[in-house]
Amino acid sequence: GENVEQHPSTLSVQEGDSAVIKCTYSDSASNYFPWYKQELGKGPQLIIDIRSNVGEKKDQRIAVTLNKTAKHFSLHITETQPEDSAVYFCAASIGGDYKLSFGAGTTVTVRA
Amino acid sequence: DAGITQSPRHKVTETGTPVTLRCHQTENHRYMYWYRQDPGHGLRLIHYSYGVKDTDKGEVSDGYSVSRSKTEDFLLTLESATSSQTSVYFCAISESPLQETQYFGPGTRLLVL
Repeated sequence: GENVEQHPSTLSVQEGDSAVIKCTYSDSASNYFPWYKQELGKGPQLIIDIRSNVGEKKDQRIAVTLNKTAKHFSLHITETQPEDSAVYFCAASIGGDYKLSFGAGTTVTVRA
Repeated sequence: DAGITQSPRHKVTETGTPVTLRCHQTENHRYMYWYRQDPGHGLRLIHYSYGVKDTDKGEVSDGYSVSRSKTEDFLLTLESATSSQTSVYFCAISESPLQETQYFGPGTRLLVL
């Protein structure tokens, strides 16, 4: 099955700095890569996604890049704010299917 | 949480007892999923459904069964709960297959003593 590795597992940044989370996947047929944010006691919420026909996508302070050749994709958060503190998960579609395989998560802490 | 409710939200049970968790959606989405979340493992797929009475296994399906008799409800049953099934369980839905966003419910925290 699909194996998604996510790094780092924890990330502490100063408010205003950037945060970068990286994921790698193993299945070359994967073509959909969402990112979820999970706040304490809540379910994961989609924050951005990217499909294999594009290399980069941006939404305000959040951007995702995809390198299909190297099988890795990254989440970039710029100008971090305290409300960005949460657990972030990357995921990759399993082949061309509608199932997702998730990374283990990154706990992001933004220091005021 | 995109019109998804899970019940109960918290449950404590004893080893060997059956447990049923319910996921209810008001979005009329065809696809529904059950995941478990454990530290260091992210979210792992237990079972999923691609229509009424149509279900299939995920990567960690042993010890779990599911049923879907109506579009809006997807039930997860632990036949005989074990301590290893202590976890947070999330239901998710998606509208159509292939590359569509999955929306998650608020979760059920289950403790098996």
